[in-house]
Amino acid sequence: DGGITQSPKYLFRKEGQNVTLSCEQNLNHDAMYWYRQDPGQGLRLIYYSQIVNDFQKGDIAEGYSVSREKKESFPLTVTSAQKNPTAFYLCASSIVTGPNTEAFFGQGTRLTVV
Amino acid sequence: AQSVTQLDSHVSVSEGTPVLLRCNYSSSYSPSLFWYVQHPNKGLQLLLKYTSAATLVKGINGFEAEFKKSETSFHLTKPSAHMSDAAEYFCVVSDNSGGGADGLTFGKGTHLIIQP
Repeated sequence: DGGITQSPKYLFRKEGQNVTLSCEQNLNHDAMYWYRQDPGQGLRLIYYSQIVNDFQKGDIAEGYSVSREKKESFPLTVTSAQKNPTAFYLCASSIVTGPNTEAFFGQGTRLTVV
Repeated sequence: AQSVTQLDSHVSVSEGTPVLLRCNYSSSYSPSLFWYVQHPNKGLQLLLKYTSAATLVKGINGFEAEFKKSETSFHLTKPSAHMSDAAEYFCVVSDNSGGGADGLTFGKGTHLIIQP
């Protein structure tokens, strides 16, 4: 089955720690995205990548970092500089070109700071 | 610039009655519009999308939406609600100014409650 796999489903972080969220896709999509979801806020774009070894900041990139070494993988690191990291994180992918581009989503990772 | 407004944060209906979730948008371009559904602690699933073809769009699970340019609306409807429809629904606009889903703007969501 083609799809997007995020792991882990739940993640707990101590203050001051960096943590990395995994996202893998086998849809052969060129573009991948990270969104943050807070209650009542919709989804906000953190980072996106349209091609391997290239990525762009989204609306709320501060305190986050990404890498795109392989087409299938787009891990997100939540650094200690992110002051309020507790949220639901969603990874998505899409074809990169053309209008009417829809995103396909993973099942999410819930990150909690303890 | 583009934006999307979901007019109700919560909607409650009885099982078997019609569902109406309201969405208004603004866009500088000829937009594409999407409705996604999210069940608790899950990812988003595409229900349907409007891409400048037919203005009445049919989606999965009996949902449909009508694009009304004059009203800048894209309301989601279903004739008869089922308990499994209880979820969060997101209206999304794309400005189609370039490739990729980085041009998506999400509404804040409508929580649909189904009463037995």
